[in-house]
Amino acid sequence: AQSVTQLDSQVPVFEEAPVELRCNYSSSVSVYLFWYVQYPNQGLQLLLKYLSGSTLVKGINGFEAEFNKSQTSFHLRKPSVHISDTAEYFCAVTFGGTSYGKLTFGQGTILTVHP
Amino acid sequence: AAGVIQSPRHLIKEKRETATLKCYPIPRHDTVYWYQQGPGQDPQFLISFYEKMQSDKGSIPDRFSAQQFSDYHSELNMSSLELGDSALYFCASSLSEPSAETQYFGPGTRLLVL
Repeated sequence: AQSVTQLDSQVPVFEEAPVELRCNYSSSVSVYLFWYVQYPNQGLQLLLKYLSGSTLVKGINGFEAEFNKSQTSFHLRKPSVHISDTAEYFCAVTFGGTSYGKLTFGQGTILTVHP
Repeated sequence: AAGVIQSPRHLIKEKRETATLKCYPIPRHDTVYWYQQGPGQDPQFLISFYEKMQSDKGSIPDRFSAQQFSDYHSELNMSSLELGDSALYFCASSLSEPSAETQYFGPGTRLLVL
């Protein structure tokens, strides 16, 4: 079965600390991987994506993610978070074959940055 | 840069009424996707269109229908509204499918069914 799992529903962290938001997927076909951020009462903004090539991808706002095929993971990291990073983060996957195109989202991780 | 436009941004309807949500993709984008995000939920794929033809279908109720027009804008028609239809409805657009070109999301339409 094809699925996306975000392992943490909530992640509290202090300002300037590093953070990792975990995402695992299950698939028997090729995948494209994305991270989106949703600020309160707003739409979804693309942070970064992995389509092919280097497994370490850098995105906006200082975020990066690493694709690990053997562990079927795509964890999101930031070395030093700011208060403004408080938001909900969604890992999303498009699966190959006939379902290419539509995004399957994880359950979301609420990142709360405390001063 | 131009973004995806959705209208209306907010909509309040009574049970059993109908609603029409509109989506205007980024210029030159030929693929449109609709997603539904319930309160505290992750977005769920409803339906997509490529070059005015339905390209994929997800968990869209039979009470809902959608289409993409010649100018590539799309409309989601929702009939016999139920309380459970209250959600944030996102439209996203991309350049083409099935190249998995990145999807860009609109701000969403928040539908409240009373």
